[in-house]
Amino acid sequence: AQSVTQLGSHVSVSEGALVLLRCNYSSSVPPYLFWYVQYPNQGLQLLLKYTSAATLVKGINGFEAEFKKSETSFHLTKPSAHMSDAAEYFCAVSRGRGSTLGRLYFGRGTQLTVWP
Amino acid sequence: NAGVTQTPKFQVLKTGQSMTLQCAQDMNHNSMYWYRQDPGMGLRLIYYSASEGTTDKGEVPNGYNVSRLNKREFSLRLESAAPSQTSVYFCASRKGTGLFEQYFGPGTRLTVT
Repeated sequence: AQSVTQLGSHVSVSEGALVLLRCNYSSSVPPYLFWYVQYPNQGLQLLLKYTSAATLVKGINGFEAEFKKSETSFHLTKPSAHMSDAAEYFCAVSRGRGSTLGRLYFGRGTQLTVWP
Repeated sequence: NAGVTQTPKFQVLKTGQSMTLQCAQDMNHNSMYWYRQDPGMGLRLIYYSASEGTTDKGEVPNGYNVSRLNKREFSLRLESAAPSQTSVYFCASRKGTGLFEQYFGPGTRLTVT
């Protein structure tokens, strides 16, 4: 079984401030982990993914995430928030082996608000 | 490449009516998925198709049926719509090998009255 917990359904930051969105997972096997972003009235867009090649993963738009096995976490960060970062962010996990189906299990999402 | 396309974008149904949501991808992907998104619930998998000719239930399949028409197309049918099926529906596709990322369509916003 596996699940994803995103701590904080809403996060607000000022423009230029650090963005930290938290994600913890549970998985019985080494996971593949993803962060997706959803802008209003749009589909989901991949921000970055962890596939065991490196624990610090860089994505698009200046975002990065660090895989910490000991903490079962995959938190998303950005050093300096921009107004255009306002969106909903989803963490997702996929089982790393066994199934070839690539099913994703999503967290409930975190709405990021950026204040001017 | 258009990526993943979905039709219609919006739909209003009365309770008991039926409809089919269409999804197509032009990336030659093997796997396709249908999700529903409800406020505060994230995305939940309804059905998926690992490859052409196969379909399987996800987390919330009740009230839905699917058809993998060919490699490109994967449709979702509501036989008798209920207000609980009011949601935003997303189709996604995945290459089927390698790094498991999914590519999403723009969504269909469905309201059942």
